[in-house]
Amino acid sequence: EAGVAQSPRYKIIEKRQSVAFWCNPISGHATLYWYQQILGQGPKLLIQFQNNGVVDDSQLPKDRFSAERLKGVDSTLKIQPAKLEDSAVYLCASSLERVNTEAFFGQGTRLTVV
Amino acid sequence: DQQVKQNSPSLSVQEGRISILNCDYTNSMFDYFLWYKKYPAEGPTFLISISSIKDKNEDGRFTVFLNKSAKHLSLHIVPSQPGDSAVYFCAASAMRGGADGLTFGKGTHLIIQP
Repeated sequence: EAGVAQSPRYKIIEKRQSVAFWCNPISGHATLYWYQQILGQGPKLLIQFQNNGVVDDSQLPKDRFSAERLKGVDSTLKIQPAKLEDSAVYLCASSLERVNTEAFFGQGTRLTVV
Repeated sequence: DQQVKQNSPSLSVQEGRISILNCDYTNSMFDYFLWYKKYPAEGPTFLISISSIKDKNEDGRFTVFLNKSAKHLSLHIVPSQPGDSAVYFCAASAMRGGADGLTFGKGTHLIIQP
């Protein structure tokens, strides 16, 4: 079974530029999550989709971050404009269901904002 | 305000001995708990979980104990092996509270000494 795919693996941008990350979840997984992991911290949930609908985006900085999951499969997370404090690893995860099942994580995209 | 706390940033254990990783939580709505293991440059991988209706769950060398009254859980690894060296994250979910994205602790870096 193929895992969660993310691209790119690494990205370096200047502050105020924009950037987009892509995620392809495990086939058949209805729930998709984007997490932000700052160095030395645990992952923090940014947004959760159930199929192509948003379940929870309470911690997403909506003035600069946006995410979509068209057709309930792939997802993109965008930052525009980026700030220095956005430097982090962005992890995508998917799970079969919402209820009491583990989430499977991709390798993440390491973003450096300079 | 950290809702999931892992107070030991690192732990060193001799190979063959027992490793005990601790986790405390403050949100009484959490009803499902998971442990994830993370190697450098990889995404977290699911290790073991426990529902709040149980106080123990065992899977091979890994056992998770949950003490709801103390809002405390622990992961026991016995015997510890060199491949267990990784960062371990405790995570919690509050399905009944309607928020099933995971809340993570900061992680404990486990080092298994030969």
